[in-house]
Amino acid sequence: DAGVIQSPRHEVTEMGQEVTLRCKPISGHNSLFWYRQTMMRGLELLIYFNNNVPIDDSGMPEDRFSAKMPNASFSTLKIQPSEPRDSAVYFCASRRDSTPFYEQYFGPGTRLTVT
Amino acid sequence: AQSVAQPEDQVNVAEGNPLTVKCTYSVSGNPYLFWYVQYPNRGLQFLLKYITGDNLVKGSYGFEAEFNKSQTSFHLKKPSALVSDSALYFCAVTNSGGYQKVTFGIGTKLQVIP
Repeated sequence: DAGVIQSPRHEVTEMGQEVTLRCKPISGHNSLFWYRQTMMRGLELLIYFNNNVPIDDSGMPEDRFSAKMPNASFSTLKIQPSEPRDSAVYFCASRRDSTPFYEQYFGPGTRLTVT
Repeated sequence: AQSVAQPEDQVNVAEGNPLTVKCTYSVSGNPYLFWYVQYPNRGLQFLLKYITGDNLVKGSYGFEAEFNKSQTSFHLKKPSALVSDSALYFCAVTNSGGYQKVTFGIGTKLQVIP
């Protein structure tokens, strides 16, 4: 199994530009999570999908952030327009199903730098 | 609201010595507890979990954790530390009641000194 795949691994962009982060979950997993990790705030859940439907987006910082999951094998997190304070490592994770006692499998992350 | 506390930002231990990384939690209902490890420039990797049953849970790479309901703790342990165990360790909690967000602790950096 290839694990959770994220692209790009690194993204450097200028303030005001649109940024799109991509995630391919593990085949057969029907729960998907987007997290943001910073030194100051630690690991924050941004949004949780189950069977491609957003279940909890309470962690999405503001309207500049949006996430989609058009099918079971692909999800995107978009920031438009980007700001320097969005600089962080963004992780995608998938889980076997919605049952909470299953562990999550994390991708390698996308390191975003907004200048 | 559920929460996780990892009281130590960093734990230093000599190679070969036993290690403990502390975690306490707060959650309504029965807890599901997890430990994850993060190596530099990598995503989190699952180590072990407690769902029910035996309070001592064994996981990957020789790690184990003890669930203590009265103290609401789930400390991570290893009898003999390796330099390669140096990493960032996260405790996480959720419960069995429908959709519950998994709450992660802030992380504890483990440094194993040769």
